[in-house]
Amino acid sequence: GIQVEQSPPDLILQEGANSTLRCNFSDSVNNLQWFHQNPWGQLINLFYIPSGTKQNGRLSATTVATERYSLLYISSSQTTDSGVYFCAVEGRSNYQLIWGAGTKLIIKP
Amino acid sequence: DTEVTQTPKHLVMGMTNKKSLKCEQHMGHRAMYWYKQKAKKPPELMFVYSYEKLSINESVPSRFSPECPNSSLLNLHLHALQPEDSALYLCASSQDWATPDTGELFFGEGSRLTVL
Repeated sequence: GIQVEQSPPDLILQEGANSTLRCNFSDSVNNLQWFHQNPWGQLINLFYIPSGTKQNGRLSATTVATERYSLLYISSSQTTDSGVYFCAVEGRSNYQLIWGAGTKLIIKP
Repeated sequence: DTEVTQTPKHLVMGMTNKKSLKCEQHMGHRAMYWYKQKAKKPPELMFVYSYEKLSINESVPSRFSPECPNSSLLNLHLHALQPEDSALYLCASSQDWATPDTGELFFGEGSRLTVL
């Protein structure tokens, strides 16, 4: 099956810093989604991005499907950005989401 | 604000109890999901309903029984659970299932279950 690897596993930054999270996947996919899980457990869909670049405020994402990776950029980090960021891809053969292990982000004030 | 609502947010139950988790979405989505999440792990798929029919059961023990009364509602009935079933249970919905473009997955806030 498809393997999804996220890096780095942990990231600690000061408020105001920028960061880049990476998601590598091992095979062609129908779609790719980025999620943020806050410390209370709420999972929020950030981007639905099978290819190309999207931006939403301080966040943007780029997926290069031909090279099988996606990047999530967070600019001017705020403490509310803390939490775990998951990448999940949908395989072309069974339509199930395969999840990465996540990147735990801590933003210090 | 979430467009997928789950109740209850917290649940403590004994191993002999019967309880239910409830989920509702009003986005007109045709697919609904139950996920289980343990601490420091990504969500694990349990069940998928598409057009109110069970499409996927990921070998979940029978002590978990899903039900989809209509296109907006999804229940998870719990009976004779074990302490290792303690976890965050997440409901989700998407526009479609098993098509090349299923759409974004929207999650509820989750039900945190503790089995004593």
